Order: sequence, then C-alpha cells, then structure tokens
Amino acid sequence: GAVVSQHPSWVICKSGTSVKIECRSLDFQATTMFWYRQFPKQSLMLMATSNEGSKATYEQGVEKDKFLINHASLTLSTLTVTSAHPEDSSFYICSASGGRLYNEQFFGPGTRLTVL
Amino acid sequence: SQQGEEDPQALSIQEGENATMNCSYKTSINNLQWYRQNSGRGLVHLILIRSNEREKHSGRLRVTLDTSKKSSSLLITASRAADTASYFCATDLTGNTGKLIFGQGTTLQVKP
Repeated sequence: GAVVSQHPSWVICKSGTSVKIECRSLDFQATTMFWYRQFPKQSLMLMATSNEGSKATYEQGVEKDKFLINHASLTLSTLTVTSAHPEDSSFYICSASGGRLYNEQFFGPGTRLTVL
Repeated sequence: SQQGEEDPQALSIQEGENATMNCSYKTSINNLQWYRQNSGRGLVHLILIRSNEREKHSGRLRVTLDTSKKSSSLLITASRAADTASYFCATDLTGNTGKLIFGQGTTLQVKP
C-alpha cells in the first residue's frame, strides 16, 4: 500500500510555456501533499505544502505565481510551472501523507522537466 | 533552508565492507528518517527513528540517534553493489508541521 504516482515521468517543453505535473495517491487519501525540487547532484528542496481544499503554503523564496499548486481532491495534487524557463529545469518530486498514514510521507517517482 | 548536513559527501567502498554515513541537524525534531535514491529515480524510505529512540535496526541497516549532539548515523553492513545510491537523512521538525527537511546527502559507491 501507500503508493504515490506522478505524471508525466519526464517532459520537455519550450521556454515560455506552462507545464502541469500530477501527483496521485493510489491507495490512500492524502490530506497533505508536498512538492520538492531537486537539481542535479543536490538534495531535495521543499517548495510547498498543500492541504486538500485549501491554498498551498510556499517555502521562502518560492514564487507562488510561478509554481501553481492545486490540491482539489484527497487523491490528486497538481503543480503547474508557468512560463517555464531553462532555469526551471529540474527533477520535481511529490510526496503524500494522510489518514492513518499521517505520520509518514510517501514519495512519487519524480518528474524530470527540461525547458529548452 | 536545509536543516541537515551529511558526511561524507561521497563514499566508495568494496562489496562486503560496511558503510557509515552521518547526519547532523540544527533544531529539535519529532523523528529523523533515512532515504535512498538511485540516480534519477524517486526516494525509497529506509527507516524512521523517533526522537525518544536511540537505535534502530532493519535488516542490514542500523540507525543511531543522539539528540544531545543533534546527529544520526546510518550503518549499512556487508554492503552490496546494489546498495550504490545516494542516501539522505530528513528531519521532521518539532511542531508537527509534517514537513521534512533533507540533508545534503551522501553518494555511496559499492564496487563489486
């Protein structure tokens, strides 16, 4: 149990376009989802925390208008990178927790974004 | 900002040897977790140790926690080539925010 999926697993887009990444909890209800970004050979940096039905809480230095997060249901959160630029190229990872699994985070496999 | 620091940044050992990685953090925690990440892949949860625990075992893994020194160590015994990966500690800070703050990670290479 406790499986989290992400879609797409990789995406290449042109500079200036927007990209949406989905994060789904497949077998539990995720009241909280987290979004991380990881640059090559670096650690994970928390971008934002989203609770189902409310606005996301962004970490310091993360532009909320650029990284739009929607957590409309207990099994789905989306991250939209708006007007993407090459410096947004990164590995984006989501995690989810909730229900009796509130004490642990379960991570998705990540989405590799490349902006040309 | 990142909470944890890990050392060494990189570690290369022969198969069969033990690997030890250390993690230090700055503020009080609810628990500390260790994860493994193969290159370009997602995270695999290895072990969670609570702030009131001092040592925990899981198979070939042994984790210690010293809250007075704000540090933890991960020991992998009898390493295998398949253990080659990056290892991260992550702290769940006191206050029950649920957020995990990751350390810089240790890249482990196990040579066959």
